[in-house]
Amino acid sequence: ILNVEQSPQSLHVQEGDSTNFTCSFPSSNFYALHWYRWETAKSPEALFVMTLNGDEKKKGRISATLNTKEGYSYLYIKGSQPEDSATYLCAVASGTYKYIFGTGTRLKVLA
Amino acid sequence: DSGVTQTPKHLITATGQRVTLRCSPRSGDLSVYWYQQSLDQGLQFLIQYYNGEERAKGNILERFSAQQFPDLHSELNLSSLELGDSALYFCASSVAAGRNEKLFFGSGTQLSVL
Repeated sequence: ILNVEQSPQSLHVQEGDSTNFTCSFPSSNFYALHWYRWETAKSPEALFVMTLNGDEKKKGRISATLNTKEGYSYLYIKGSQPEDSATYLCAVASGTYKYIFGTGTRLKVLA
Repeated sequence: DSGVTQTPKHLITATGQRVTLRCSPRSGDLSVYWYQQSLDQGLQFLIQYYNGEERAKGNILERFSAQQFPDLHSELNLSSLELGDSALYFCASSVAAGRNEKLFFGSGTQLSVL
């Protein structure tokens, strides 16, 4: 079964710090990787969808990269703000599997 | 607001009972997905429908069933409920069934089985 791992499990950073987290997945039969942001008491919201090795996506202070050959994606947040506090989920579509989610990285940005 | 509507928001019931969770996808979306979020677990994929047909199945228990109706809304039926079925159930929708489609999530149904 497809196993998607995210690290770290949780992270506390100071306002203004830059940070990054990792999503690891089996590189065989890869099709697409998604990043979602999930704020407390809300529903997950899509950030990026990436399909090609070497893809880079950016949205404001948040960016992501994808390495399908080694099976990982990084999500970067530059100059973290308290409103960036959320759980960041990655989901991988591979072969016949549909959007298998990792357990997420819980980010807390301290003011 | 994602445009995906889930009802009810909260549901409290007893073991052995049966419940139905409802999801209305975003206007124009043909694909509906159901996920289960248990304590300390990631979003567990249950089942996907596309334009009324079952498209993919995950770790969905035999006690659970789902369908997508001609108006594209979907229902997830959970029967013979057990304490371990207590979870947050999410519905998501996408325009089509491709694996590079962004998912739009509803606000979830919190099920408590007592």
